[in-house]
Amino acid sequence: QLVLTQSPSASASLGASVKLTCTLSSGHSSYAIAWHQQQPEKGPRYLMKLNSDGSHSKGDGIPDRFSGSSSGAERYLTISSLQSEDEADYYCQTWGTGINVFGTGTKVTVL
Amino acid sequence: EVQLVESGGGLVQPGRSLRLSCAASGFTFDDYAMHWVRQAPGKGLEWVSGISWNSGSIGYADSVKGRFTISRDNAKNSLYLQMNSLRAEDTALYYCAKTITGEFDAFDIWGQGTMVTVSS
Repeated sequence: QLVLTQSPSASASLGASVKLTCTLSSGHSSYAIAWHQQQPEKGPRYLMKLNSDGSHSKGDGIPDRFSGSSSGAERYLTISSLQSEDEADYYCQTWGTGINVFGTGTKVTVL
Repeated sequence: EVQLVESGGGLVQPGRSLRLSCAASGFTFDDYAMHWVRQAPGKGLEWVSGISWNSGSIGYADSVKGRFTISRDNAKNSLYLQMNSLRAEDTALYYCAKTITGEFDAFDIWGQGTMVTVSS
């Protein structure tokens, strides 16, 4: 079964970095994922598509502060130089034949 | 400007039906797969259904299978979700989303959503 696992919360200070993890279920370590940001009271925004080899393609206008990387079944989103507007929920998404799956989301708090 | 605009939401009684629409503009609609994603109040994102560029591949979440039907009209640049036998747990903000290719893939454009409330 295709499942994505995310930690419920993460925090870091203004100007610091935070690294979020999305873990693919067993047998699915080769899958690509996408990262999405949802700021409070707003709709989701696409950040990037992240492949198993760590290559990624970002959405239009996504700052360089957002980067992705991969290791085995884990997919990471690193936000550098944290800003107040980065306080949001972050969801990972993956897909297969006739199916899509979201992780439960990680709430990022900027201290 | 690439844009997705959902409509058709509202208050509906349990067991009744509702049809959502998503109007697309700013891109070649029939090149891309499209999806519906919902978010219950205070909850996370839940994929509902998706359809490939030519309707050749369609999928549904288990929670809506047999009750919801997705369709698209490429001539009208529109995506639809027919929702039957609605339940209280279907109450959510429903988003339309575009993928980056014609098949199931990453979502790169999201609409603003339309609210569906199922209550007597």
